[in-house]
Amino acid sequence: GQSLEQPSEVTAVEGAIVQINCTYQTSGFYGLSWYQQHDGGAPTFLSYNALDGLEETGRFSSFLSRSDSYGYLLLQELQMKDSASYFCAVGSYNTDKLIFGTGTRLQVFP
Amino acid sequence: EAGVAQSPRYKIIEKRQSVAFWCNPISGHATLYWYQQILGQGPKLLIQFQNNGVVDDSQLPKDRFSAERLKGVDSTLKIQPAKLEDSAVYLCASSSGRSSYEQYFGPGTRLTVT
Repeated sequence: GQSLEQPSEVTAVEGAIVQINCTYQTSGFYGLSWYQQHDGGAPTFLSYNALDGLEETGRFSSFLSRSDSYGYLLLQELQMKDSASYFCAVGSYNTDKLIFGTGTRLQVFP
Repeated sequence: EAGVAQSPRYKIIEKRQSVAFWCNPISGHATLYWYQQILGQGPKLLIQFQNNGVVDDSQLPKDRFSAERLKGVDSTLKIQPAKLEDSAVYLCASSSGRSSYEQYFGPGTRLTVT
């Protein structure tokens, strides 16, 4: 089967750096995606890692270690608008679909 | 480029009634997904279409849920009869490839079953 684990909630202050971890178990793993969802909004794609290492996109970076079945999303220079839920999602060659985690709710305080 | 369109945005029905949701994906996107998202959880895939063919419907409760994408463009998801536990947001997403890590989501339909 497939499973993902991520913390349910993370808090931080404006300007800080926060890391949201995701561990997964899946057969036929092909990549890890991250999505952001504001309350009442639609999930929006943030990043994707298929290979080990760090991918940087502006203030957001995502990391993957395939050997450890682990990844994280790093948010720098936090802003109030970053308060949202963040989902990791794994893709598998076996099932050909994305499986989403339960999400991490990030609250940014002034 | 227009995004994924969904309607209605909100729907309240009584249990045992039927309801239908509509989705129009981004133009040219061959793959269309319907997800169910219960409050506090991640999206759960109900059905995935590639053009007008079903790729995966393993988590679709087929005794009450049905979906179609007849011309390979827009799609409808129907629930009949609805149960209380069907209260959720129904999200439609599309992507340009069959195995796409980057999906574009519509605003969703918030369904309340009373």
